[in-house]
Amino acid sequence: GDSVTQMEGPVTLSEEAFLTINCTYTATGYPSLFWYVQYPGEGLQLLLKATKADDKGSNKGFEATYRKETTSFHLEKGSVQVSDSAVYFCALSPDTGGFKTIFGAGTRLFVKA
Amino acid sequence: GAVVSQHPSWVICKSGTSVKIECRSLDFQATTMFWYRQFPKQSLMLMATSNEGSKATYEQGVEKDKFLINHASLTLSTLTVTSAHPEDSSFYICSARDASGGDTEAFFGQGTRLTVV
Repeated sequence: GDSVTQMEGPVTLSEEAFLTINCTYTATGYPSLFWYVQYPGEGLQLLLKATKADDKGSNKGFEATYRKETTSFHLEKGSVQVSDSAVYFCALSPDTGGFKTIFGAGTRLFVKA
Repeated sequence: GAVVSQHPSWVICKSGTSVKIECRSLDFQATTMFWYRQFPKQSLMLMATSNEGSKATYEQGVEKDKFLINHASLTLSTLTVTSAHPEDSSFYICSARDASGGDTEAFFGQGTRLTVV
């Protein structure tokens, strides 16, 4: 079945460091891909998305490119801030309809001042 | 973007009682809503798919008699945890997609933290 695998955390970085969180997926066809962020004690917020191969999603300095050939959707940010500390979830929505979302395990990011 | 509201945001109940959680799409209609459960420091696991006007579809291993889902209108789905026990304590999150099909992503509620004592 469809699945999402993302790097285990926690990831601890100093402020202004470069961030990469790896994400790969298994799915038939062309799923839509997402990154969600969850701040402590809160629900999910959509961070960015890409719906077809080679699309780049971007928001708040974060970027991820839909790579069909490597079935990946790695999240990057050039300079993290303390306020970026949160849990990041990579997710996909199959293109077979139904619209359910399949999540990766989540990666916790800590950014130190 | 579209807004999904979940209520309550937190609830504490006694073991053996039932708790109802509401999920509303505020500015769009949703023929399908989804209920997820998240244990501490874990990912979200899909529990069931709520279909307006018909029975919910439950994922394997989810007790449908314990987690009752009702989707009576295009803007409201409810999850009732019946005869709750401490092991049901968790973070429950709903999501919905716009029935018009204009968006490709689901919109999530803010979640409900359930504590059973």
